Amino acid sequence: AQSVAQPEDQVNVAEGNPLTVKCTYSVSGNPYLFWYVQYPNRGLQFLLKYITGDNLVKGSYGFEAEFNKSQTSFHLKKPSALVSDSALYFCAVRDISMGRRALTFGSGTRLQVQP
Amino acid sequence: DTAVSQTPKYLVTQMGNDKSIKCEQNLGHDTMYWYKQDSKKFLKIMFSYNNKELIINETVPNRFSPKSPDKAHLNLHINSLELGDSAVYFCASSHGGQGAEEQYFGPGTRLTVT
Repeated sequence: AQSVAQPEDQVNVAEGNPLTVKCTYSVSGNPYLFWYVQYPNRGLQFLLKYITGDNLVKGSYGFEAEFNKSQTSFHLKKPSALVSDSALYFCAVRDISMGRRALTFGSGTRLQVQP
Repeated sequence: DTAVSQTPKYLVTQMGNDKSIKCEQNLGHDTMYWYKQDSKKFLKIMFSYNNKELIINETVPNRFSPKSPDKAHLNLHINSLELGDSAVYFCASSHGGQGAEEQYFGPGTRLTVT
């Protein structure tokens, strides 16, 4: 089975401060991990993914995420938040040992960046 | 030059009706998906097609029937609509269906059943 948890419904941060959006996962084998962002009334947009290799993954709009196998985490980070980063963020996982399966998405974390 | 498009954007209908949502992608992808996002923003896969072949069929009532006439199109037909079908439905596409590829999402279709 595969599952993903985003423990925070909302994260508030001041503009210019660093931000972290948390994600933990559970898989039987090795994971593919993704972050997507959803702006109001829009579809999801891909930010970054971890497939293999370097644990630190860099993505769009200055975001990065660190894969931590021992803690089964894949937290999303950005050194300096912008008001325009305010959106809904989804973490997603797929267990690569499970054959052709769909992504499982987390419940989403709303990021609010205050000016 | 929209990558993944859906029609209609909004759909308001009464219980018991039958409706369809259309999806088209111009990215040359070979895999397409339907997702349902409920009022709490929880996103769940419904179906996935790879080269017109159904590869993922999650636990969805058989009132929902996807159809893929070609690799660029994936339509969703819903029979006997119920109040609980009210949600936003997203179409997505990707290159390959093995799970490592990122997906590109359409703008969504907001279905309201009254």
